[in-house]
Amino acid sequence: QQPVQSPQAVILREGEDAVINCSSSKALYSVHWYRQKHGEAPVFLMILLKGGEQKGHDKISASFNEKKQQSSLYLTASQLSYSGTYFCGTEDNYGQNFVFGPGTRLSVLP
Amino acid sequence: DSGVTQTPKHLITATGQRVTLRCSPRSGDLSVYWYQQSLDQGLQFLIQYYNGEERAKGNILERFSAQQFPDLHSELNLSSLELGDSALYFCASSEQGSANYGYTFGSGTRLTVV
Repeated sequence: QQPVQSPQAVILREGEDAVINCSSSKALYSVHWYRQKHGEAPVFLMILLKGGEQKGHDKISASFNEKKQQSSLYLTASQLSYSGTYFCGTEDNYGQNFVFGPGTRLSVLP
Repeated sequence: DSGVTQTPKHLITATGQRVTLRCSPRSGDLSVYWYQQSLDQGLQFLIQYYNGEERAKGNILERFSAQQFPDLHSELNLSSLELGDSALYFCASSEQGSANYGYTFGSGTRLTVV
């Protein structure tokens, strides 16, 4: 079952922060985050496994709340290069039923 | 360069025709996944192969088929093409049989059916 992402779209000014949410009605084993720029391939950002961990690199981080079956992606001090569509992907068991969310379109303006 | 190679990059063909899309996974990756992405839409899973065997099937039409060869490259065959089949087709690979290490995507094949 496809996870739900919110918001569907967000517009920011350079330097502002954003949060993108991903939720599922099923218990999750892992959550993945990808970014896709227009006309390009999706690029893997990070994976979070059940256990409520938080990960990050540079100014992009994510959390995974296993009990709520939710994950949030945090983009701080956004840069123009952050623009694109962010997809979460969820897996409800190891190696099974991986499915992408519908995506959140992020636009960062100067 | 992600290490996943897809050919051709662009393909224009007429309705009713048949095409073959090719994918070479990243070195060492055993799994290949095919995704379809229509204009400004999400990523629809078509099929997964792991070390030559079909592992999972998504919303793949009967007109579409795929296989993974002993050298691990994969081909996606699309036949009796319709206008609605126009889309970006991505191949992705992963180290093992799951998405546990993340997917590496190729640059895609843009198919236009006229």
